[in-house]
Amino acid sequence: DVKVTQSSRYLVKRTGEKVFLECVQDMDHENMFWYRQDPGLGLRLIYFSYDVKMKEKGDIPEGYSVSREKKERFSLILESASTNQTSMYLCASSTGQGRSEQYFGPGTRLTVT
Amino acid sequence: GNSVTQMEGPVTLSEEAFLTINCTYTATGYPSLFWYVQYPGEGLQLLLKATKADDKGSNKGFEATYRKETTSFHLEKGSVQVSDSAVYFCALLVYGNNRLAFGKGNQVVVIP
Repeated sequence: DVKVTQSSRYLVKRTGEKVFLECVQDMDHENMFWYRQDPGLGLRLIYFSYDVKMKEKGDIPEGYSVSREKKERFSLILESASTNQTSMYLCASSTGQGRSEQYFGPGTRLTVT
Repeated sequence: GNSVTQMEGPVTLSEEAFLTINCTYTATGYPSLFWYVQYPGEGLQLLLKATKADDKGSNKGFEATYRKETTSFHLEKGSVQVSDSAVYFCALLVYGNNRLAFGKGNQVVVIP
């Protein structure tokens, strides 16, 4: 089974802090994704990566950056956390072949106070 | 562009009732179609998928048929259980585009 793990299930940070969310997948997938999920807004893509050191902006990249130094790991960085970044963050991965499905991690519930 | 539309609002029904969640799509190419389920406090899990017209995806008693003529992929289950209470998302992926397009999701609440 594909396993996507995220470093924390719950996280509480203060405004202005630098926040790192880590995601690891164990299936040698080329593609990795970061989404945020908010009530009434569904899932929105923040960034994705199709190879090591490669990244592309999604629909809402402002206030976020990402890092992919190894194939299995994709990090989301909030340079200076703000209260409007309080959300559920979901990581996903998929193979680079055709129209393959994405596999999701359990999510990180981030609260910025 | 690529987009998915799900019916508005939560769905509340009694145990053993028949469930239908509507999903229609627009796509620039030939999509694969997916249903994901999210149980409370968890990430999304793939429920079923279909990759070409007239394919039927099925899993855990749920079914959905890829209807190209009506651009639809409606989810059905003949007899729901309390444990089916969750949020259900319809999604599509077009070949050559790695980005999933998601519907807004439907909250399903099954009452004993």
